[in-house]
Amino acid sequence: DTEVTQTPKHLVMGMTNKKSLKCEQHMGHRAMYWYKQKAKKPPELMFVYSYEKLSINESVPSRFSPECPNSSLLNLHLHALQPEDSALYLCASSHPTSGGSYEQYFGPGTRLTVT
Amino acid sequence: QKEVEQNSGPLSVPEGAIASLNCTYSDRVSQSFFWYRQYSGKSPELIMSIYSNGDKEDGRFTAQLNKASQYVSLLIRDSQPSDSATYLCAVGVQGAQKLVFGQGTRLTINP
Repeated sequence: DTEVTQTPKHLVMGMTNKKSLKCEQHMGHRAMYWYKQKAKKPPELMFVYSYEKLSINESVPSRFSPECPNSSLLNLHLHALQPEDSALYLCASSHPTSGGSYEQYFGPGTRLTVT
Repeated sequence: QKEVEQNSGPLSVPEGAIASLNCTYSDRVSQSFFWYRQYSGKSPELIMSIYSNGDKEDGRFTAQLNKASQYVSLLIRDSQPSDSATYLCAVGVQGAQKLVFGQGTRLTINP
């Protein structure tokens, strides 16, 4: 089973709101990722957690705050977003293969609209 | 300079033919390569991974890797209309924990 779940599927929020995106996987993967994807563009990496520790932050603005409460859960806290932050937010997880490579499996995404 | 290059397409292929998708990358030390399929409005789906030079086959899909030429390709045999999607090439960097994606190739299979 390669299922990653994300909630909510859709989110509309104002620029002064605080909201959170949630991601969950039960595959025993120890790396989890947040990506942002704009229309007709590839996914753009935001954060990587490895063994529940933040290992990569791609210079993401502080209005995006990630959290990894345990090895199965990943949150993305949103505050004071801008309309240009409207996008599909994707969560992914992976586990090193015997060759040391990471096959990443994506969740269905949260479609975020900032008004 | 982009690290992963793909033709954006659209690539139009008749049903039943072979679709050929190509990708080049700039990081010579990369060791892991992936192809994702993304339907409109959906998330990327991993369809192939390849780590060694040569061909890797899975059903109608064949991935080809040539590290000397820094080239990865995906062949889809007996193309079906359901194969119409955007195909993303991804290369593992920074110890393969980070994926760098190409811009994607939009493929249309014409019945």
